[in-house]
Amino acid sequence: GEDVEQSLFLSVREGDSSVINCTYTDSSSTYLYWYKQEPGAGLQLLTYIFSNMDMKQDQRLTVLLNKKDKHLSLRIADTQTGDSAIYFCAPRGDTGRRALTFGSGTRLQVQP
Amino acid sequence: DTAVSQTPKYLVTQMGNDKSIKCEQNLGHDTMYWYKQDSKKFLKIMFSYNNKELIINETVPNRFSPKSPDKAHLNLHINSLELGDSAVYFCASSQDAEGYEQYFGPGTRLTVT
Repeated sequence: GEDVEQSLFLSVREGDSSVINCTYTDSSSTYLYWYKQEPGAGLQLLTYIFSNMDMKQDQRLTVLLNKKDKHLSLRIADTQTGDSAIYFCAPRGDTGRRALTFGSGTRLQVQP
Repeated sequence: DTAVSQTPKYLVTQMGNDKSIKCEQNLGHDTMYWYKQDSKKFLKIMFSYNNKELIINETVPNRFSPKSPDKAHLNLHINSLELGDSAVYFCASSQDAEGYEQYFGPGTRLTVT
């Protein structure tokens, strides 16, 4: 948790955009992932970005990366009630062990 | 059809017991992982096996022992269960030890009473 930080909670109205932010400390991170966890379920890989990219768009999802500030964000356009879940940022370090380091997750609540 | 499956989904047991959680992946991946998610939703890597060989072993009590009979299976055995072991345990797999695109199982919720 302490190497990857996320705000704990975000509430938006259906149809609005959601922006979930993440900061990380490992500058060797070359791949940075976003996972979604619905209640009582496992983690679903949503998207990821390479560290040599600033932005990646995938349908309603836009990932922005500021490598200098070690800041990653996930924007969900036209947020739907089905997007309500916990979203985890997970950078993959490129030194030492090849494991993901997860943030605490941001619980997104979408109000109808 | 399930890519990464775990059994059981729920496990309730008393302190001091020994229990096992099983994981299987049908993705043809070489590498498998065990993660622990605590009550505050923090997820931490515990172990990783690549082709049945242990490659990641985080600071985990030696009461936890992973076993990989083949590269499609990674089981987690826990001895002398303690209250603090209560958590959700997730199995995951990736194509290889580089760990790109890890796919997670549905989790096993372990409750120790």
